[in-house]
Amino acid sequence: QVQLVQSGAEVKKPGASVKVSCKASGYTFTGYYMHWVRQAPGQGLEWMGRINPNSGGTNYAQKFQGRVTMTRDTSISTAYMELSRLRSDDTAVYYCARDLGVVPAAINYMDVWGKGTTVTVSS
Amino acid sequence: EIVLTQSPATLSLSPGERATLSCRASQSVSSYLAWYQQKPGQAPRLLIYDASNRATGIPARFSGSGSGTDFTLTISSLEPEDFAVYYCQQRSNWPSWTFGQGTKVEIK
Repeated sequence: QVQLVQSGAEVKKPGASVKVSCKASGYTFTGYYMHWVRQAPGQGLEWMGRINPNSGGTNYAQKFQGRVTMTRDTSISTAYMELSRLRSDDTAVYYCARDLGVVPAAINYMDVWGKGTTVTVSS
Repeated sequence: EIVLTQSPATLSLSPGERATLSCRASQSVSSYLAWYQQKPGQAPRLLIYDASNRATGIPARFSGSGSGTDFTLTISSLEPEDFAVYYCQQRSNWPSWTFGQGTKVEIK
């Protein structure tokens, strides 16, 4: 079945970087945009950006421009999200989520989600 | 940035009752609004997209309506598994998709 399997929890110090992976299976990886959404403890959802796995093209939320990098490796159907210069308020669960639409026509709703990766930023 | 304001913050209802959740946008998003359900410790699940279209596998008791700035998610008769937090999300403002702060539907 269609699923997204994310990498395990991370603990990082302020100023460090973290790279989260998201392995897709059960569908054509290059056929759907991948979004990244985060959720701070007890808070709501925040869209970070998306990647077109076919072209590698990315779009980032303005808030994360300059700190986030989304990449992919099509040979292993895996998307990555790297966040740099971590701060304590980056502590959150980070989700990858597949777009509802088929490349190139992204719909920008998310119909398949990974289970999330907890990133804790603490000195 | 388009701000989505959900109300109420918490809705206390009994199984079998009707739930009506509201999402108001700070400017028009046309019909480009979705609803998600999230249970504790789980990822969100897409329920409704483009205001009124049920996602695959979503029961008919979930329905969405609205356009412009005012949207409603209705659960016609609450089942025990429907007690959760619900978020709205807009895709109108490129490339800055935003979510509401959520409405918790709890058992009364």
